Amino acid sequence: EAGVTQFPSHSVIEKGQTVTLRCDPISGHDNLYWYRRVMGKEIKFLLHFVKESKQDESGMPNNRFLAERTGGTYSTLKVQPAELEDSGVYFCASSQGAAEAFFGQGTRLTVV
Amino acid sequence: DAKTTQPPSMDCAEGRAANLPCNHSTISGNEYVYWYRQIHSQGPQYIIHGLKNNETNEMASLIITEDRKSSTLILPHATLRDTAVYYCIVYAWGSGNTGKLIFGQGTTLQVKP
Repeated sequence: EAGVTQFPSHSVIEKGQTVTLRCDPISGHDNLYWYRRVMGKEIKFLLHFVKESKQDESGMPNNRFLAERTGGTYSTLKVQPAELEDSGVYFCASSQGAAEAFFGQGTRLTVV
Repeated sequence: DAKTTQPPSMDCAEGRAANLPCNHSTISGNEYVYWYRQIHSQGPQYIIHGLKNNETNEMASLIITEDRKSSTLILPHATLRDTAVYYCIVYAWGSGNTGKLIFGQGTTLQVKP
């Protein structure tokens, strides 16, 4: 069974550009979460989808970040325009019901 | 903020048991104790969780004190591949929380040959 997959694994963009990260959760998992880790800091929650609905987006840093999960399958996280402080590793996780979450390998975003 | 306290780092000899402590003195009655680890730059990996009884799986054992204010993750025979940052997290599904994990600093376990 395929795990949580994220694409791309690495992305280097210039300040002001747009980047879209993609997450494919484990098939059948209704819950999808985005987290990120910026340099030297702890892993922080960004938001949570249940199917296609945003359940909790309390961790989204600002309106430059837009997450979608059309059809309740894969999810995208768009950063527009990217700023230097957005650099970090973005993780996606999925779970079924109240079961434990499985994480992807992450996307390392570098904004220069 | 994380509701747990862990030592920032620990060393363990290869082949020996690694015992990682975690304090969660404010844990609520319905909150579980979860352990995850992050190996190098990979995504966090689920290890084990428990409510009040001790738990064991193929990866580790979890010992929770009777008052539930602390717990210990035990890797019975640590290998070099167990070198990672280990996170102890407490939460309860429901009551406004549907799986959001709050990561602290964790414990960096270094397994040495």
